[in-house]
Amino acid sequence: GESVGLHLPTLSVQEGDNSIINCAYSNSASDYFIWYKQESGKGPQFIIDIRSNMDKRQGQRVTVLLNKTVKHLSLQIAATQPGDSAVYFCAETSNSGYALNFGKGTSLLVTP
Amino acid sequence: EAEVAQSPRYKITEKSQAVAFWCDPISGHATLYWYRQILGQGPELLVQFQDESVVDDSQLPKDRFSAERLKGVDSTLKIQPAELGDSAMYLCASSFNPGQGASEQYFGPGTRLTVT
Repeated sequence: GESVGLHLPTLSVQEGDNSIINCAYSNSASDYFIWYKQESGKGPQFIIDIRSNMDKRQGQRVTVLLNKTVKHLSLQIAATQPGDSAVYFCAETSNSGYALNFGKGTSLLVTP
Repeated sequence: EAEVAQSPRYKITEKSQAVAFWCDPISGHATLYWYRQILGQGPELLVQFQDESVVDDSQLPKDRFSAERLKGVDSTLKIQPAELGDSAMYLCASSFNPGQGASEQYFGPGTRLTVT
């Protein structure tokens, strides 16, 4: 089936720096995208979502950018903190199903 | 803040035994999902319910897995018999009303299953 994938398996940043996590998707019918944060031993935690009629959405310290032309999604975290250390997943779905298709995840490590 | 509840949090069972997981979604959420997550990978859908009806169980290994949501609220996922390859995190998620387009799914803490 079509897949959602991440460019980098691990990302190490210094506390206070900005982080950018990238995601490529292949399903041209995808119209809804979510970023999740997952800490060890816990369930995924919703961070931010975006629909395909938008190209940018901002939350508290996070921004999601969507480029439908190249099927690319990114999550920007401003002023990264040690508590941001986790695995980040992008996921997509389309109106036909709603169940999420997840990528493999990027591990973010924030060093002091 | 409303949360998705799951129990047990951890389960160790021997292969060929039966095991069951329970999920209580956020109140008012009509759609309930069961996902399986193997260590180091993203979650993969097993079954999706809309109220009490199954809308997608195409990835559910029906020879050994079953799921039900009899009253359209809480749900149970069962494995019988368990196999070594079933060791994984089993996650339940719920969402409010996908009938108006996809909406955010909220996940529970998961059940970590180890089959020995």
